[in-house]
Amino acid sequence: GAVVSQHPSWVICKSGTSVKIECRSLDFQATTMFWYRQFPKQSLMLMATSNEGSKATYEQGVEKDKFLINHASLTLSTLTVTSAHPEDSSFYICSARAPDRANSPLHFGNGTRLTVT
Amino acid sequence: DQQVKQNSPSLSVQEGRISILNCDYTNSMFDYFLWYKKYPAEGPTFLISISSIKDKNEDGRFTVFLNKSAKHLSLHIVPSQPGDSAVYFCAALGSGGGADGLTFGKGTHLIIQP
Repeated sequence: GAVVSQHPSWVICKSGTSVKIECRSLDFQATTMFWYRQFPKQSLMLMATSNEGSKATYEQGVEKDKFLINHASLTLSTLTVTSAHPEDSSFYICSARAPDRANSPLHFGNGTRLTVT
Repeated sequence: DQQVKQNSPSLSVQEGRISILNCDYTNSMFDYFLWYKKYPAEGPTFLISISSIKDKNEDGRFTVFLNKSAKHLSLHIVPSQPGDSAVYFCAALGSGGGADGLTFGKGTHLIIQP
C-alpha cells in the first residue's frame, strides 16, 4: 500500500533557529500533500496544503512566513519552521492521498515531535 | 464550531469485550467517513471507512455503523485486544471539510485493560 515517510521523527532545537521537516511519498506521486499540527489531546489541525510546483495554500491563522513549505517534486514536500520559539513545540504530521484512488484515505507520515528550548 | 464530535475523550474496556467508539457530525454535506488509529508519537493510520450510501461496513474485528438520520457513526471492535489501546480519530470527508477534504474529531483514547 501507499506509504508516506516523514523525517526526522523528533528534533530539539534552540529558540531562534530553523528546523526543516521532510515528507516523502514512497510509492506514489503526490501532487498535493498536507501538513498538520497536533497539540496534546486535540484534533489534527490542518496547517497548509502543499502543491507541487506552486505556492502552498495556508489555512487561516497560520503564518506563511513562519512555516515555509516547499513542494519541489512529486514525492517530496518540506516544512521549515523558521525562527522557532517554544510555542512552536508540537507534533507535526504530513499526509498525502494516492491520486488514482477515489475516496482513498489519507496516508500519514509518522510525525515529527518538535521541541524548542 | 466543531463539525465532527467525539464526546468521549477516553474509554476503558476489558480485554475480550466489545469496544464502541462514537462519533457525531453536524454537516449534512459529509458523504464519507473514516476512522484512524493513532499511537503516541506516530502518525494516524487508516482503519476503516464507510460511504454515506451504506449503513455498515465490516473488516475483521472492526465494524463501522452509520446512522445518517441521526448524523451518528460508531466503531465497534470485538473482541478488544491490548494492541487496540490507542487514540481513535473519526474523520468526515465532503463539502465543508478542509482543503484535505477531512474534518477530524478530537479523538477518543481507548484503553484495553487485561
